[in-house]
Amino acid sequence: EAGVTQFPSHSVIEKGQTVTLRCDPISGHDNLYWYRRVMGKEIKFLLHFVKESKQDESGMPNNRFLAERTGGTYSTLKVQPAELEDSGVYFCASSQELSYEQYFGPGTRLTVT
Amino acid sequence: AQSVTQLGSHVSVSEGALVLLRCNYSSSVPPYLFWYVQYPNQGLQLLLKYTSAATLVKGINGFEAEFKKSETSFHLTKPSAHMSDAAEYFCAVTADTGRRALTFGSGTRLQVQP
Repeated sequence: EAGVTQFPSHSVIEKGQTVTLRCDPISGHDNLYWYRRVMGKEIKFLLHFVKESKQDESGMPNNRFLAERTGGTYSTLKVQPAELEDSGVYFCASSQELSYEQYFGPGTRLTVT
Repeated sequence: AQSVTQLGSHVSVSEGALVLLRCNYSSSVPPYLFWYVQYPNQGLQLLLKYTSAATLVKGINGFEAEFKKSETSFHLTKPSAHMSDAAEYFCAVTADTGRRALTFGSGTRLQVQP
């Protein structure tokens, strides 16, 4: 069974540009999460989808971040326009419907210059 | 609100020595607790979890953790360190409140000396 996959693995963009990160959860997992780790800090929760609906987006830092989950399958996280402080590693995780056990992807390392 | 404190951002042990990584949590409701490991250039892998069953939890790769409510702790141990255990370890907490977001500690980087 394939795990959570994320694309790209690395992205380097300039301040003001747009970047879109993609996450493919484990097949059949209704729950999908985004987290972020800024260098030297804790891994922080961004948001939680249940199927295609946003269940909890309390961790989204501001309106430059837009997350979608088309048809309840893969998810994208768009940052527009990117700022220097957006640099970090963005993790995606998924879990089964009633489970608290989250499975993480390898992360996307975003560098904004 | 929940929080996690991991004491020691870096821990160094000799190969064959005991590994002890500390995690203390704060939660107003009974917590669910997790330890994750991140090997270099890889994602987070679940080591073990506590979800209100047995207080001594065994995980993969010989790791175990004990939930101690009175001490609000969930320390991770392994009797004998291997070189392959060198990685960053994260303790995380959530609870059965309907909100499933994990709250993570700041991580502990384990170094294993030959």
